[in-house]
Amino acid sequence: GAGVSQSPSNKVTEKGKDVELRCDPISGHTALYWYRQRLGQGLEFLIYFQGNSAPDKSGLPSDRFSAERTGESVSTLTIQRTQQEDSAVYLCASSPGGLYEQFFGPGTRLTVL
Amino acid sequence: GESVGLHLPTLSVQEGDNSIINCAYSNSASDYFIWYKQESGKGPQFIIDIRSNMDKRQGQRVTVLLNKTVKHLSLQIAATQPGDSAVYFCAEKYGGATNKLIFGTGTLLAVQP
Repeated sequence: GAGVSQSPSNKVTEKGKDVELRCDPISGHTALYWYRQRLGQGLEFLIYFQGNSAPDKSGLPSDRFSAERTGESVSTLTIQRTQQEDSAVYLCASSPGGLYEQFFGPGTRLTVL
Repeated sequence: GESVGLHLPTLSVQEGDNSIINCAYSNSASDYFIWYKQESGKGPQFIIDIRSNMDKRQGQRVTVLLNKTVKHLSLQIAATQPGDSAVYFCAEKYGGATNKLIFGTGTLLAVQP
């Protein structure tokens, strides 16, 4: 079946602009996660959605970052007033209920000029 | 604090040799651990996982060892192949209701032909 998909695959924006990144999880997966990965570094947790529960936003680095999820479907990560330090690959993952393994998408590479 | 660290940032091995990638974790309450492989330009891919009530688990050419006494995790790859070249991440799940994974910084495995 289809895996996790993310769009766009690449995004170049100017400092100060807002960007929206999209994630389509695997159908039926109740949990969805967003991570940030800077060049040559590990995955930095941003936010986690689990079913209808309140999302765990403990990893969002500032109030410029926000995310939404429609039911158990698509999620969008929004970065307002982008800064150069926001440049990174943003990865989305989903997992089915009752399992901890996360299935990752290919990521969106964000470059802020 | 929240951290999962790796002892070796880069590991270079000869094709056909066995590889061992190490990981130290900090939370003694973590109850689940997972290894991911990330090839260049792609999202992380599941390799193998282990629960805290086990000390060893084997897959195809891979073995994960867990030593809770010293909070150490290792990934062994038998007969390493050029296709194994990638960055390997360990991740831990804290005990309790959360499914959030905390990732380490990664080890680059370079397989020499």
